[in-house]
Amino acid sequence: AQTVTQSQPEMSVQEAETVTLSCTYDTSENNYYLFWYKQPPSRQMILVIRQEAYKQQNATENRFSVNFQKAAKSFSLKISDSQLGDTAMYFCASPAAGTASKLTFGTGTRLQVTL
Amino acid sequence: DTAVSQTPKYLVTQMGNDKSIKCEQNLGHDTMYWYKQDSKKFLKIMFSYNNKELIINETVPNRFSPKSPDKAHLNLHINSLELGDSAVYFCASSQQQGAYGYTFGSGTRLTVV
Repeated sequence: AQTVTQSQPEMSVQEAETVTLSCTYDTSENNYYLFWYKQPPSRQMILVIRQEAYKQQNATENRFSVNFQKAAKSFSLKISDSQLGDTAMYFCASPAAGTASKLTFGTGTRLQVTL
Repeated sequence: DTAVSQTPKYLVTQMGNDKSIKCEQNLGHDTMYWYKQDSKKFLKIMFSYNNKELIINETVPNRFSPKSPDKAHLNLHINSLELGDSAVYFCASSQQQGAYGYTFGSGTRLTVV
């Protein structure tokens, strides 16, 4: 079965600190893309960052960066200088086997940013 | 302009009723999806259409029937609603086999009473 594992159901971080959310996946695709999505209380699913598996360089989008370890099938998200607006559920997503366009989502990590 | 719009945003209905959720995207994407998010926030794909053709049909009760009149629209019709159908249903779209991720609608919270 295709799995995406997020082992941290909940995390808390103080404002301005750095936090890392972990994710491991299991795809049989050779060329694929990985994603982190944010779901704030508004319910909207927002794409945070995208990683191309054939690129060794880790993706970065402003305060968000990833640590992509292809051999270990690990794809963690680092949020630097955390802000109150980062409070949300964060979902890791990877393609399912045999269907590159079908994304499988992890169970999510609820991140709370505190003062 | 909203990229992926779903209507309605909220739907409260009684058991046994039939209801529809509509989705439209103006991004020119070629693939559209329906996902279900349960009370524990778990997201699971239900259906996917590529250029009006059904390409993914997960294990979903046949009370759920998607319809894609054109590649910009994907509707979801649910017959004989049950309590367990209560969830948030998300429509999404993508281009190039999802290489740039999905763009999601704002979701429809369905409550069956």
